[in-house]
Amino acid sequence: EAGVVQSPRYKIIEKKQPVAFWCNPISGHNTLYWYLQNLGQGPELLIRYENEEAVDDSQLPKDRFSAERLKGVDSTLKIQPAELGDSAVYLCASSSRTSGGNEQFFGPGTRLTVL
Amino acid sequence: TQLLEQSPQFLSIQEGENLTVYCNSSSVFSSLQWYRQEPGEGPVLLVTVVTGGEVKKLKRLTFQFGDARKDSSLHITAAQPGDTGLYLCAGASSGTYKYIFGTGTRLKVLA
Repeated sequence: EAGVVQSPRYKIIEKKQPVAFWCNPISGHNTLYWYLQNLGQGPELLIRYENEEAVDDSQLPKDRFSAERLKGVDSTLKIQPAELGDSAVYLCASSSRTSGGNEQFFGPGTRLTVL
Repeated sequence: TQLLEQSPQFLSIQEGENLTVYCNSSSVFSSLQWYRQEPGEGPVLLVTVVTGGEVKKLKRLTFQFGDARKDSSLHITAAQPGDTGLYLCAGASSGTYKYIFGTGTRLKVLA
């Protein structure tokens, strides 16, 4: 079974440019998460989807960040315009309540560098 | 705001030594998870504990959930270089599927 797929793996952009990250969760997983992780620290939740509905976006900086999961499967996270402080790893994770627990399966992340 | 503080932040030890990592909060969690993350990869779940006082073992790793469900510990016996990584605890409040991650402990085991 394929794991969570993220692309690109690395992205370098100049400040004020837009950037987008893509995530394809594990097949059948209805819950999808986007996290931001700074070097050596724990992930911080940006947004959580249940199917196509964003059920928790309280930590998403909505002035520059947006996300969508139109068909309840894959998802895109966008930053426009990017700032220097946005440099971090952006992790996508998915989970399924039908498994009886809440194990989150993480993708490898997209490392963003804003110059 | 729930905070999960991990200690120590960094740990460098020799192969064969034992170590304990702590995860502390002032909040009560209905469940707590431990993850290990290697460079360039996402975190991978090691264990989930849900009952106060619960102890789970995974080979040389022993996980304990505090009686009051506010803290947890991870003990590694006879550490090996393959144990090197970032260890993260994550707690969820009752009735939610939102896990708050701890500050992380970076472990390096030297051969």
